[in-house]
Amino acid sequence: DQQVKQNSPSLSVQEGRISILNCDYTNSMFDYFLWYKKYPAEGPTFLISISSIKDKNEDGRFTVFLNKSAKHLSLHIVPSQPGDSAVYFCAPKEGSTLGRLYFGRGTQLTVWP
Amino acid sequence: KAGVTQTPRYLIKTRGQQVTLSCSPISGHRSVSWYQQTPGQGLQFLFEYFSETQRNKGNFPGRFSGRQFSNSRSEMNVSTLELGDSALYLCASSQQGASYEQYFGPGTRLTVT
Repeated sequence: DQQVKQNSPSLSVQEGRISILNCDYTNSMFDYFLWYKKYPAEGPTFLISISSIKDKNEDGRFTVFLNKSAKHLSLHIVPSQPGDSAVYFCAPKEGSTLGRLYFGRGTQLTVWP
Repeated sequence: KAGVTQTPRYLIKTRGQQVTLSCSPISGHRSVSWYQQTPGQGLQFLFEYFSETQRNKGNFPGRFSGRQFSNSRSEMNVSTLELGDSALYLCASSQQGASYEQYFGPGTRLTVT
C-alpha cells in the first residue's frame, strides 16, 4: 500500500525560478513530515521538516507547506540552483511508531542554467 | 560530529550465502533504523532499534534480522541470499523521540549473483 505519493516523477526548472515539489498522503496518523534530498549511490540528506501542528516551516531557500485537511504537503525551493538537482523524497512518520519513515517514490528535480 | 558510517560500502555475494552489514550512528544517537532501496520498491523500512531492542519491523521475511549493541552500533544480517536482495541498504540514526530527524549513512551496495 502506498501511503505516501509523489505523483510527479520528475520536474525541470530553470535556475533562479521556484521549484515546487508535491506530496500526498493517506495516513491520518502521520504527524511529522520530513523532506530528504538524495544523490545517486548516496544516503538521503535531511532538508527540512514540519510538525502537524504547523502549516509552514522555512529554512533559507526551502519552505515546506502542510495542508492537513487535504493531506498534502509541498516543498518550495527559491531560488533554484543547479546544485539542487537531485531526487527529493517526502517521508512522514507516525508519532506512535517513532523511527519508521514512510517514503514516497521521489521526484527527480533538474535545475538547468 | 562524525556522520553515520556504514561498512562495507560495496559487497558482492552469491545466492544462498549470508551477509552482515554494519552501521555506526552519530555520537549520542540511540535509535538506529535500516532501510532497503531498490528501483522497483523504492525506500522500504526494515527495522528500528533503540537501547538494544527492536522496536519496529517492516514487512520483510525472517531472513532479514538485526541487532544493536550497547554502544548503539547496529548490524543487520541477511541469510540465504536471493537475487532480489540486491539493493542499497541504508542505515539512519536519530535521537530518541518521534520528532527527531533521522540522518542517513552512505549505504552499503549489495549485489547478489
